[in-house]
Amino acid sequence: DAKTTQPNSMESNEEEPVHLPCNHSTISGTDYIHWYRQLPSQGPEYVIHGLTSNVNNRMASLAIAEDRKSSTLILHRATLRDAAVYYCILRYQGGSEKLVFGKGTKLTVNP
Amino acid sequence: NAGVTQTPKFRVLKTGQSMTLLCAQDMNHEYMYWYRQDPGMGLRLIHYSVGEGTTAKGEVPDGYNVSRLKKQNFLLGLESAAPSQTSVYFCASSRGLAGTAQQFFGPGTRLTVL
Repeated sequence: DAKTTQPNSMESNEEEPVHLPCNHSTISGTDYIHWYRQLPSQGPEYVIHGLTSNVNNRMASLAIAEDRKSSTLILHRATLRDAAVYYCILRYQGGSEKLVFGKGTKLTVNP
Repeated sequence: NAGVTQTPKFRVLKTGQSMTLLCAQDMNHEYMYWYRQDPGMGLRLIHYSVGEGTTAKGEVPDGYNVSRLKKQNFLLGLESAAPSQTSVYFCASSRGLAGTAQQFFGPGTRLTVL
């Protein structure tokens, strides 16, 4: 599995946008970029995924660099409930059984 | 829909004891997974199932067994618990294995082996 690199931690203020970066320089053309987050004492939850184009959903936006070697998860207005560990994960297009979780980025949201 | 549920939420075992963790999903998903999460680390896949009656090993299967007798249930067994199996265990399910497939996770079981 191709590797991803994320900062260990980030801080944000409530109601401000948050940009969470992820580097994946060895990504292959058939890898999807997924983001999951894990709230304290809970299981991970899916946030968003994309292949080449930028994606939006009700939770967040995903901006993918043109060369696909990096991506950014954007939370448009952080809330206290967004404090979590965010994981950037690559998924082979043809399918694989596991999600490969790194250590992720711990996001702290200040009131 | 309850989604993915896990039983029990907490458990303390003594070394050598056995137990079974139950995972249930009501989304009619074919695929189910068991992960473990150790402090400060990401999740690691223990075993998974691609359908009723089938199971396969993940990356850390030693010391665990699984069964998928019914589509909606996936059981994780520890025959002789060891302190190294102290961890938080998460069950997940998905509709498929494709690169676009989401995995839905349960709330976790916190297991301590003394």
